[in-house]
Amino acid sequence: QVQLRESGPGLVQPSQTLSLVCSVSGASIARGGDYWTWIRQHPAKGLEWIGNIYHTGTTFYNPSLENRMTLSVDTSKNHFSLELTSVTAADTATYYCARGRASAGELDIWGQGTPVTVSS
Amino acid sequence: DIQMTQSPSSLSASVGDRVTITCRASQSVKRHLNWYQQKPGKAPNFLIYGVSTLQNGVPSRFSGGGSGTDFTLTISSLQPDDFATYYCQQSYSTPYTFGQGTRLEI
Repeated sequence: QVQLRESGPGLVQPSQTLSLVCSVSGASIARGGDYWTWIRQHPAKGLEWIGNIYHTGTTFYNPSLENRMTLSVDTSKNHFSLELTSVTAADTATYYCARGRASAGELDIWGQGTPVTVSS
Repeated sequence: DIQMTQSPSSLSASVGDRVTITCRASQSVKRHLNWYQQKPGKAPNFLIYGVSTLQNGVPSRFSGGGSGTDFTLTISSLQPDDFATYYCQQSYSTPYTFGQGTRLEI
């Protein structure tokens, strides 16, 4: 079955860049048809859609983050990535990757999530 | 951005109860409305898409309704496994936005 797994540092210093990778198994990103998505959840808060990327590299970003974020995809490694620059404590959250189906916004498969703390 | 507002924010209920959670969008999302269930420490679980279509494996006691701006999630007979937080989400336009969540507790 399709599985997603996030990886990256659990602790990032303020003003630095957060880099996360989502590895996909059981499905091929290169096949197309799915939108590979990042979502975050601040501690004890709700869910925030960060953005998604298609296998072609086409991206859709949340305007609230788009001046600090970059999504990329590596079909040879079957993974996609998030970079978030100039992080602050407000970026402390659990970050999830997910698969968006053909309609993009329907997130049917999620990774387990990776907690990220921004602190010196 | 389309704002999604859920009510109530929390709900106390008992096993066997019928419960309904409401989700309102700040503008029409047509039928692009989805529901997720999240348990503590876990990723959200995809329950319903397109207002009323159950994802594979979701029990039939769950149902969704509504259109345009007003939507509902109903659980016909609560089971112990259903106590969780529920989120609605619009997938009509980016950024896809979520409601603030409804915590369903005993």
